[in-house]
Amino acid sequence: DGGITQSPKYLFRKEGQNVTLSCEQNLNHDAMYWYRQDPGQGLRLIYYSQIVNDFQKGDIAEGYSVSREKKESFPLTVTSAQKNPTAFYLCASSKRTSGRDTQYFGPGTRLTVL
Amino acid sequence: KQEVTQIPAALSVPEGENLVLNCSFTDSAIYNLQWFRQDPGKGLTSLLLIQSSQREQTSGRLNASLDKSSGRSTLYIAASQPGDSATYLCAVSHSNYQLIWGAGTKLIIKP
Repeated sequence: DGGITQSPKYLFRKEGQNVTLSCEQNLNHDAMYWYRQDPGQGLRLIYYSQIVNDFQKGDIAEGYSVSREKKESFPLTVTSAQKNPTAFYLCASSKRTSGRDTQYFGPGTRLTVL
Repeated sequence: KQEVTQIPAALSVPEGENLVLNCSFTDSAIYNLQWFRQDPGKGLTSLLLIQSSQREQTSGRLNASLDKSSGRSTLYIAASQPGDSATYLCAVSHSNYQLIWGAGTKLIIKP
């Protein structure tokens, strides 16, 4: 089955810790995205990547970092610099970044800061 | 700056009714508009994608329309079922990669 997996489903972080969220896709998509979702708000783009070893900041990149060493993988690190990291994080992929292709989403990771 | 608005934020209707969800956007220069469904605590599922040159798309009981000139899209759900209960989000795509999202409409279908 083709799809996007995210792990873990739930993640708890102490203040001052860095945590990494995993995102893997086997759809052979070139583009991958990380979004943050807060209650009552639309999704906000954190980072996106069009090809391996390349990525660009989205609207709310501060306090986050990513890597794209493999086509299938796009992990997101939430650093201690992110002041309000409690949120639902969604990873997505699309065939291209032309804006004409639909995005496919993973099941999400809910991050809570203790 | 593109803004996407979905009204109402929540909607509750009896099973079997036909209903319309609304999405409006401020900049008509879009590549496409997409409707997604999100179940509680889950990821998003793409329902319909309308290219900027199209007026509507249909999938089963769902029909989405697009009026670029007025900055509006509607998602029509026919013969609603309890399984349709979810949050419905719309997003518009510009000339770059980015999708601009509405905050969603939470739909509850009462049995």
